[in-house]
Amino acid sequence: AQSVTQPDIHITVSEGASLELRCNYSYGATPYLFWYVQSPGQGLQLLLKYFSGDTLVQGIKGFEAEFKRSQSSFNLRKPSVHWSDAAEYFCAVGPMEYGNKLVFGAGTILRVKS
Amino acid sequence: EPEVTQTPSHQVTQMGQEVILRCVPISNHLYFYWYRQILGQKVEFLVSFYNNEISEKSEIFDDQFSVERPDGSNFTLKIRSTKLEDSAMYFCASTTGEGTEAFFGQGTRLTVV
Repeated sequence: AQSVTQPDIHITVSEGASLELRCNYSYGATPYLFWYVQSPGQGLQLLLKYFSGDTLVQGIKGFEAEFKRSQSSFNLRKPSVHWSDAAEYFCAVGPMEYGNKLVFGAGTILRVKS
Repeated sequence: EPEVTQTPSHQVTQMGQEVILRCVPISNHLYFYWYRQILGQKVEFLVSFYNNEISEKSEIFDDQFSVERPDGSNFTLKIRSTKLEDSAMYFCASTTGEGTEAFFGQGTRLTVV
């Protein structure tokens, strides 16, 4: 069965520091991988996606993620965090063909301290 | 940029009442979904809909839930008799179904009292 693990429930980083949010997935075929961000009371905004090709993908707001098939991971990174990045981040996996569903991780809440 | 819109943004209802959550998916999309997120928990799949019928549903999506596409633009989720545990944020999403990402609406926060 498909599953996504985000091992860190909360992460606190200082403004300007680098960030890495971890995501591991279990999926039987080549997955499509996504990172979404949710600010308090808001909807889900797509940060970036991996379908195929270059395993390092760039997204919006300066985020990037690297797909590592051997580790079944898709970690999200940002070199310098801004206070406005404080939000909850969700990793998701799915085939995204023929209307198949997404499976989400439990989310990581990012706090940014000044 | 095209977007998925949901109404209302917040709904409060009494236990046992029926609620209808509304969504307008992106116009050229073919697959429609409802997900829910109970406060503090992960986003969970409820149902997918294609070609005017349910294509997949989760075990959460019991007989109290139904979906409909009453016209060419709206996609609705009905909860027949709400329970306290139905309180959650409900997200609508749509996709072309051809290997592209799902676009999510801003959600409807349902509070059952």
